[in-house]
Amino acid sequence: GENVEQHPSTLSVQEGDSAVIKCTYSDSASNYFPWYKQELGKGPQLIIDIRSNVGEKKDQRIAVTLNKTAKHFSLHITETQPEDSAVYFCAALEVSGVNFGNEKLTFGTGTRLTIIP
Amino acid sequence: DSGVTQTPKHLITATGQRVTLRCSPRSGDLSVYWYQQSLDQGLQFLIQYYNGEERAKGNILERFSAQQFPDLHSELNLSSLELGDSALYFCASSLSLLGLAGGAFNEQFFGPGTRLTVL
Repeated sequence: GENVEQHPSTLSVQEGDSAVIKCTYSDSASNYFPWYKQELGKGPQLIIDIRSNVGEKKDQRIAVTLNKTAKHFSLHITETQPEDSAVYFCAALEVSGVNFGNEKLTFGTGTRLTIIP
Repeated sequence: DSGVTQTPKHLITATGQRVTLRCSPRSGDLSVYWYQQSLDQGLQFLIQYYNGEERAKGNILERFSAQQFPDLHSELNLSSLELGDSALYFCASSLSLLGLAGGAFNEQFFGPGTRLTVL
């Protein structure tokens, strides 16, 4: 099965600086890589995602890059703000079975990002 | 608010007991996923249902079972509870299967979770 590793586990960044979180995956068949933000006391929320046939995707201050050959993908947050403080999870989707109806989303272990004012 | 509801919010019980966690997906969503989040294990996928049928299983223990009803709400049953089962349990839903949307992907929406404490 898929194995997703995420680094670092904690990250402190000065407000206004950039933050980078990196993940690697093991199954070359995985084809979708979402990133989730989890605030205290809440469920994870999708912030950006990337498909396996795309190398980079950007949404305002957030960008994700994917290197299929090396099986790693990264989240980049620029101009960080205090409200970016949260736990961030990467994930990889394996799809299998008849009509590709069996889906399993494997998550990384999370990165606690703290923005220092 | 994601539109996914979970009840109860908190649950405290004793070892050996059985509990049922309930999830109502967003209106119109056919897929339901259950996850367990503990401090040392991160988010672990347990099981997926699509339109009433079980589709995929992750690291779900034999003591745990789930089902999705005709009205699409889902229940996760945890029995013979152990101290190690204490965790946050999240339900998520998506419109259809994540990977079948004309080449795009459906977003998965998470509920607020049920915090289970086993004493």
